[in-house]
Amino acid sequence: NAGVTQTPKFRVLKTGQSMTLLCAQDMNHEYMYWYRQDPGMGLRLIHYSVGEGTTAKGEVPDGYNVSRLKKQNFLLGLESAAPSQTSVYFCASSYSPRGLTDTQYFGPGTRLTVL
Amino acid sequence: RKEVEQDPGPFNVPEGATVAFNCTYSNSASQSFFWYRQDCRKEPKLLMSVYSSGNEDGRFTAQLNRASQYISLLIRDSKLSDSATYLCVVTGANNLFFGTGTRLTVIP
Repeated sequence: NAGVTQTPKFRVLKTGQSMTLLCAQDMNHEYMYWYRQDPGMGLRLIHYSVGEGTTAKGEVPDGYNVSRLKKQNFLLGLESAAPSQTSVYFCASSYSPRGLTDTQYFGPGTRLTVL
Repeated sequence: RKEVEQDPGPFNVPEGATVAFNCTYSNSASQSFFWYRQDCRKEPKLLMSVYSSGNEDGRFTAQLNRASQYISLLIRDSKLSDSATYLCVVTGANNLFFGTGTRLTVIP
């Protein structure tokens, strides 16, 4: 099993450009999450999904959109990138019969720089 | 006030030392608590869950104090391989918050 994978690993964007980050998991997990990690701020939840076709806002959702068309994939979109979105983005998944209170498995991260 | 607060450290301890970290949380309705470990430039990985009665996993002991709203992690007989950042996680029915992490360096 590959676990949780993220594509791409690194990306540099110019302000105003758009991009999509792809997260895939092969553990048949129901819940998937997108986080950003910034120095001194810790991991902050952007959006999450409790199942195929459903998404919900986390702590810092502004400037991001997500989609969960297939159970194994969770996409994070930036429509118009801003320098404030420079960060390391982590995807995670969990089996979650207990909702958000379950153990999460993380992908290796995507390092995004917006110039 | 932040939902979850941790002392960022760094904690620099010699091999074999015992070290403890605390994490405080603001929401008394929080339901589940975890400690994750994150190595430099890597993803977080679950270290252990924290149960109300306290729990131990080898050299690691986790405690929960609901009355004072904090969780703790105790590491005994520190190893060089314990050097990492330790993140506490506090979750509720519809929310989930990570602490900023406490950095530990174990010195030979």
